[in-house]
Amino acid sequence: DSGVTQTPKHLITATGQRVTLRCSPRSGDLSVYWYQQSLDQGLQFLIQYYNGEERAKGNILERFSAQQFPDLHSELNLSSLELGDSALYFCASSEQGGFGNEKLFFGSGTQLSVL
Amino acid sequence: DAKTTQPTSMDCAEGRAANLPCNHSTISGNEYVYWYRQIHSQGPQYIIHGLKNNETNEMASLIITEDRKSSTLILPHATLRDTAVYYCIVRFRDRGSTLGRLYFGRGTQLTVWP
Repeated sequence: DSGVTQTPKHLITATGQRVTLRCSPRSGDLSVYWYQQSLDQGLQFLIQYYNGEERAKGNILERFSAQQFPDLHSELNLSSLELGDSALYFCASSEQGGFGNEKLFFGSGTQLSVL
Repeated sequence: DAKTTQPTSMDCAEGRAANLPCNHSTISGNEYVYWYRQIHSQGPQYIIHGLKNNETNEMASLIITEDRKSSTLILPHATLRDTAVYYCIVRFRDRGSTLGRLYFGRGTQLTVWP
């Protein structure tokens, strides 16, 4: 158990809909990262938050947004869903801002299926 | 982040050592070498990391060449539960860098046979 909690584990929805994925980092970790994993793209970094502020952005679509709340949990919002958004979404956390010597701890993921 | 090159797949007999190579010929002095693994559809799991020296923990050993252009992850006594995709990643060390994210390539699919 990594200590990172993601909910829900599975999500099935229809095209055009909007969903919210939730992540609770390990106790004391200030950074939260979101990754998307699809069969053809592998693990893709989406976005990082550090202590409530956006820290780094990766391949995140404009239809997607995220935030980190004062209690440090994070939500990833996916809107106007398309079939291609079907993927595993992972959240990870680290103690500080993700500096070179820090480990990232990953949750067990949310499997999103868009029908 | 420096790119890494790993074999697509490897096999290993249960109980034997698994040696997973990684080439990172463009690594800079400010970059760590990290290894993660992902067991089918689970979240990636941290294994080990190092800068210059060889490292060992309860899971594995990491051997980094003197020029730092390649490394080898060693699982000393592989078990069936070690079957997974293994990712070799290089990552900036500097505080203040915004490149804290990990770049995952395609990794090496290690299959441990009974």
